[in-house]
Amino acid sequence: QKEVEQNSGPLSVPEGAIASLNCTYSDRGSQSFFWYRQYSGKSPELIMFIYSNGDKEDGRFTAQLNKASQYVSLLIRDSQPSDSATYLCAVRHSGSARQLTFGSGTQLTVLP
Amino acid sequence: NAGVTQTPKFQVLKTGQSMTLQCAQDMNHNSMYWYRQDPGMGLRLIYYSASEGTTDKGEVPNGYNVSRLNKREFSLRLESAAPSQTSVYFCASAGIALNEQFFGPGTRLTVL
Repeated sequence: QKEVEQNSGPLSVPEGAIASLNCTYSDRGSQSFFWYRQYSGKSPELIMFIYSNGDKEDGRFTAQLNKASQYVSLLIRDSQPSDSATYLCAVRHSGSARQLTFGSGTQLTVLP
Repeated sequence: NAGVTQTPKFQVLKTGQSMTLQCAQDMNHNSMYWYRQDPGMGLRLIYYSASEGTTDKGEVPNGYNVSRLNKREFSLRLESAAPSQTSVYFCASAGIALNEQFFGPGTRLTVL
């Protein structure tokens, strides 16, 4: 069973701070990693994805991969109250190009 | 473009009743997916379809059937609903690159 684990939180940070979200995965051969944001009562929407060969920065968001320790992180700089949501990590494992395995999500609250 | 649409938005069934959840996408995507989301469990893949005419089981297929009617539509059927199938069901689609799954608004199903 290929697993993706996230701390369910809730994680609270003050407005303007850096929020750090982490996700661990069990399959060392995993090839790509995704972060989705889900507002309460809404559907998930993709924030960003990275491949196994590097990190990525997009505006206030940075996704980083640590292959040796098998975890991926999402950093949100200058956090805003509108960033308050559940963040889902998803992994495309080796041998399953069309499937993603999702973690259970981390609930983030940004306090004004 | 409507993206991914799902009907109905809400449904209440009694144990043993059957129903079909409908999903359609207008993005000309080949791949389509059905997930269920339960509190604390994240998104779990029920079935997916890589292209018109093909379907494959995901992590939790028992109690469900699917039909890829054409490229646009992918339906999920519960033949004999059980309380354990109370959940929020999301349909998603993805293009050739498979780098982003676009989610529908979800169907909130309660089985009494």
